Amino acid sequence: NAGVTQTPKFQVLKTGQSMTLQCAQDMNHEYMSWYRQDPGMGLRLIHYSVGAGITDQGEVPNGYNVSRSTTEDFPLRLLSAAPSQTSVYFCASRQDGNYGYTFGSGTRLTVV
Amino acid sequence: AQSVTQLGSHVSVSEGALVLLRCNYSSSVPPYLFWYVQYPNQGLQLLLKYTSAATLVKGINGFEAEFKKSETSFHLTKPSAHMSDAAEYFCAVSEHGGATNKLIFGTGTLLAVQP
Repeated sequence: NAGVTQTPKFQVLKTGQSMTLQCAQDMNHEYMSWYRQDPGMGLRLIHYSVGAGITDQGEVPNGYNVSRSTTEDFPLRLLSAAPSQTSVYFCASRQDGNYGYTFGSGTRLTVV
Repeated sequence: AQSVTQLGSHVSVSEGALVLLRCNYSSSVPPYLFWYVQYPNQGLQLLLKYTSAATLVKGINGFEAEFKKSETSFHLTKPSAHMSDAAEYFCAVSEHGGATNKLIFGTGTLLAVQP
């Protein structure tokens, strides 16, 4: 099993550009989440999903969009990138009944 | 609302010394509690979790944590630090049986191990 796969690993965007961060898991997990990690702030929840077709906002959803058309994929869209979105983004998934999340290796995004 | 407070953003210990990383939580319902470790430029790895069974939880790499409801704490310990333990550690809380599935993290503690 590959676990949770995030692409790309690194990305540089110009202010105002849009892009999609990809996240895929092959463990048939129902629950998936997106976090951003910033120095001194830990990980903050952006959006999460409890199953295909169901998503909801986390702590810091502004400027981000998600969809969950399949169990495996949970892409995160930046609508119009801003320097404040420079961060490391992590996708995570877990199985129902097992509360330990499995994390991807992250996407380091820089917005200039 | 749930929250997690990690006391001490940086902790330094000598190799062979006790490791103690502090975590206090706030939750209006019985919590699930977790410790994760992050090595440089890597994702997060689950160290251990408390899900309302035994209050003393043993994890990987010799770490353990004790759930103390009266103190709303879930401190992480290891009797003898190793150089390879140098990493950032995150405490996290989730609602017991919560349908929202939110996992809320603390701000992290960077552990340095001195030779």
